[in-house]
Amino acid sequence: DAGVIQSPRHEVTEMGQEVTLRCKPISGHDYLFWYRQTMMRGLELLIYFNNNVPIDDSGMPEDRFSAKMPNASFSTLKIQPSEPRDSAVYFCASSTRVSGGGLDWQPQHFGDGTRLSIL
Amino acid sequence: KNEVEQSPQNLTAQEGEFITINCSYSVGISALHWLQQHPGGGIVSLFMLSSGKKKHGRLIATINIQEKHSSLHITASHPRDSAVYICAVRGRQGAQKLVFGQGTRLTINP
Repeated sequence: DAGVIQSPRHEVTEMGQEVTLRCKPISGHDYLFWYRQTMMRGLELLIYFNNNVPIDDSGMPEDRFSAKMPNASFSTLKIQPSEPRDSAVYFCASSTRVSGGGLDWQPQHFGDGTRLSIL
Repeated sequence: KNEVEQSPQNLTAQEGEFITINCSYSVGISALHWLQQHPGGGIVSLFMLSSGKKKHGRLIATINIQEKHSSLHITASHPRDSAVYICAVRGRQGAQKLVFGQGTRLTINP
């Protein structure tokens, strides 16, 4: 099992530039999550998808942020234009439900994260 | 007040000590997660529980739904246990959204 794969691992860019973060979930997982981690606010959910459809985007900070999931094996998080306060580690995670006597959930599997620095 | 509060924020102990990290939450939940984040940054799910107790190796997680409280215990702690431990709760009605505590930074000295 390859795990959740994120790219790039590190990104340094100047403010105003467009930033695209990529995520490949674990095969067979039908939930995909984008999180942001900062020293001040800790881990926060930005958006999550179920079967490629956005379910809850209430954590997306503003219109500069957008996320897409064109198919079950790929998602992007885009920031345009980027600002220094967007500097953070962005994690992607995937999960699924399992059934066995009663519906239950698998724990979320996290990617290694993308460390984003906006200068 | 945050929905999920962890204590302590920082904990330093000697190798071999018994460690307890606490998590209190203020909302109804369907499940509680304990996550581990190593200095390299990767996040690993340790436990997901909705009642009682779970054990994996030297790690034990307990939850008291009535008191809205969970604990993570580490027996015979080792320097490799040094990490940030994060509590997260999932709301009722099968919601997938996780709300995270601020984390507890654990340092185990040899």
